Amino acid sequence: GIQVEQSPPDLILQEGANSTLRCNFSDSVNNLQWFHQNPWGQLINLFYIPSGTKQNGRLSATTVATERYSLLYISSSQTTDSGVYFCAVDPYTGANSKLTFGKGITLSVRP
Amino acid sequence: KAGVTQTPRYLIKTRGQQVTLSCSPISGHRSVSWYQQTPGQGLQFLFEYFSETQRNKGNFPGRFSGRQFSNSRSEMNVSTLELGDSALYLCASSLGLTTYEQYFGPGTRLTVT
Repeated sequence: GIQVEQSPPDLILQEGANSTLRCNFSDSVNNLQWFHQNPWGQLINLFYIPSGTKQNGRLSATTVATERYSLLYISSSQTTDSGVYFCAVDPYTGANSKLTFGKGITLSVRP
Repeated sequence: KAGVTQTPRYLIKTRGQQVTLSCSPISGHRSVSWYQQTPGQGLQFLFEYFSETQRNKGNFPGRFSGRQFSNSRSEMNVSTLELGDSALYLCASSLGLTTYEQYFGPGTRLTVT
């Protein structure tokens, strides 16, 4: 099956700093999503981005499908950005959907 | 629009028992997927239902089963619980046709003692 690798596994930032989180995947994808898992376990949708670039406030994401990677940018980080960030992909097209998740990146933003 | 809801939020069961978890998708979403999250294995796909039919299944034993009702609500059942079934069970819904963006519920945290 498809492999998803996220890097770095852990990231510690000072409040106000910028960061880049990377997701590499081993096959073509039909779906790629970035999530932030809150302390209670819920996965919060950040981006649905199988290709191209999107921005939402301080967050932006870019997926280069031909080179099989995606980047999540966090600018002017805040303590509330702390948590685990997951990249998930689905390589299939058509009548099914099955996300394969990376192991996640644990981000700690210090005041 | 209301999000994905899951019940119960927390559950404690004894080894050997069975458990049923429930998921109500976002209104209009016809696809429901289930995932298991554990510290050791991370997030793993269990199965997906669309219009009451299982469309895809992950690599889990037959003790894990599910179903979907005509209103798109879904249940998953785990029989003969083992200690290793302790996990956060997440449900996600999507439109399931032309777009596959998935939206997750808050999860059910199952503890097996």
